[in-house]
Amino acid sequence: EADIYQTPRYLVIGTGKKITLECSQTMGHDKMYWYQQDPGMELHLIHYSYGVNSTEKGDLSSESTVSRIRTEHFPLTLESARPSHTSQYLCASSDPVQGGYEQYFGPGTRLTVT
Amino acid sequence: AQRVTQPEKLLSVFKGAPVELKCNYSYSGSPELFWYVQYSRQRLQLLLRHISRESIKGFTADLNKGETSFHLKKPFAQEEDSAMYYCALSSYNFNKFYFGSGTKLNVKP
Repeated sequence: EADIYQTPRYLVIGTGKKITLECSQTMGHDKMYWYQQDPGMELHLIHYSYGVNSTEKGDLSSESTVSRIRTEHFPLTLESARPSHTSQYLCASSDPVQGGYEQYFGPGTRLTVT
Repeated sequence: AQRVTQPEKLLSVFKGAPVELKCNYSYSGSPELFWYVQYSRQRLQLLLRHISRESIKGFTADLNKGETSFHLKKPFAQEEDSAMYYCALSSYNFNKFYFGSGTKLNVKP
């Protein structure tokens, strides 16, 4: 089924650990995005990608990094997690062929760093 | 700087009452504007886009460039409209999106 998946859905991890949040989509979309959202606050774009081997930083500075080796896969990595990274992370994709304006969101990963 | 402001965190109305969710924006250029909705235990999804001028689930939104606003309206609220609503804007090429902090709409029976 065409969809966008995020794993894990919830993650509690200690300070200093390396973590990777997974995002995969089976819709063949070229554009993918990562957002960070604190409770009751805006979604902030932290990374986006136009396609394979293309990644850009969003306006919100983030210590995370991303990669786009395959069209369907857009993982986000934190080399050393800190309590300030506690947040919800949302992955999205869009299809330029259909105008690119509609974002399809994953279910999100809620990260807690202790 | 690009910014989307939704001044109301929570809006409570009775079923059948009119609803207006406010959204103001600042953007240097011609923005593309959207409303996204998140129902309980569901994902964020597109509700409507300003350029389409459609009415989706009875909701409409008018872009007012003079007031830099894009308020979402519905003449008669239904209980199933209860959800989080996010206003968003994008650059013309949809490379970057900016979201507001959301308004929780609660429609009481």
